[in-house]
Amino acid sequence: KAGVTQTPRYLIKTRGQQVTLSCSPISGHRSVSWYQQTPGQGLQFLFEYFSETQRNKGNFPGRFSGRQFSNSRSEMNVSTLELGDSALYLCASSLGILATNEKLFFGSGTQLSVL
Amino acid sequence: DQQVKQNSPSLSVQEGRISILNCDYTNSMFDYFLWYKKYPAEGPTFLISISSIKDKNEDGRFTVFLNKSAKHLSLHIVPSQPGDSAVYFCAASGALGVGSGDKLTFGTGTRLAVRP
Repeated sequence: KAGVTQTPRYLIKTRGQQVTLSCSPISGHRSVSWYQQTPGQGLQFLFEYFSETQRNKGNFPGRFSGRQFSNSRSEMNVSTLELGDSALYLCASSLGILATNEKLFFGSGTQLSVL
Repeated sequence: DQQVKQNSPSLSVQEGRISILNCDYTNSMFDYFLWYKKYPAEGPTFLISISSIKDKNEDGRFTVFLNKSAKHLSLHIVPSQPGDSAVYFCAASGALGVGSGDKLTFGTGTRLAVRP
């Protein structure tokens, strides 16, 4: 069974631009969650989607948004990029919602650099 | 407010010895805890978990201990192997609809280096 696939692996953008990251979950998984990893901050929760609905959102500004499609694939969008948005963005999928304590399966991430 | 803390950013251990990674949390509503391991250029992978109704869970060389009164958990790796060299994240979640529930709160990670 294929794992979680994130594209692209690397991205370089300039301040003010916007970016869209893509995540394809493991087949059959309906929950997709997104995390931002920066040095010293660990993994910060961005949001979770289940059956095309956002279930929960972390403490990030409205510039960060996402969506999930009927095939469970998810996209994350960041508008008006800032230097501080440079990070590794990780997507994870699970069979059920996070609240059921199912283990997450992570993709390899998208490394975003904002210049 | 960092609700899950890993105060040691790095740890170096000799091969064959025990590695002990520590994690503290502040939210008493957390009732499920997990450890994930991350190699460079890869996403984190699930290692082991423990429910708050237990104080110990073992899986091969990995054991997680939970001390609820101290709001502390630790991961023991015995014996440590060079392939265990990675960043280890602890994570916590609460019951559905309670406190910080419905999402995992991760610590900042501890980089473990196992010397041959």
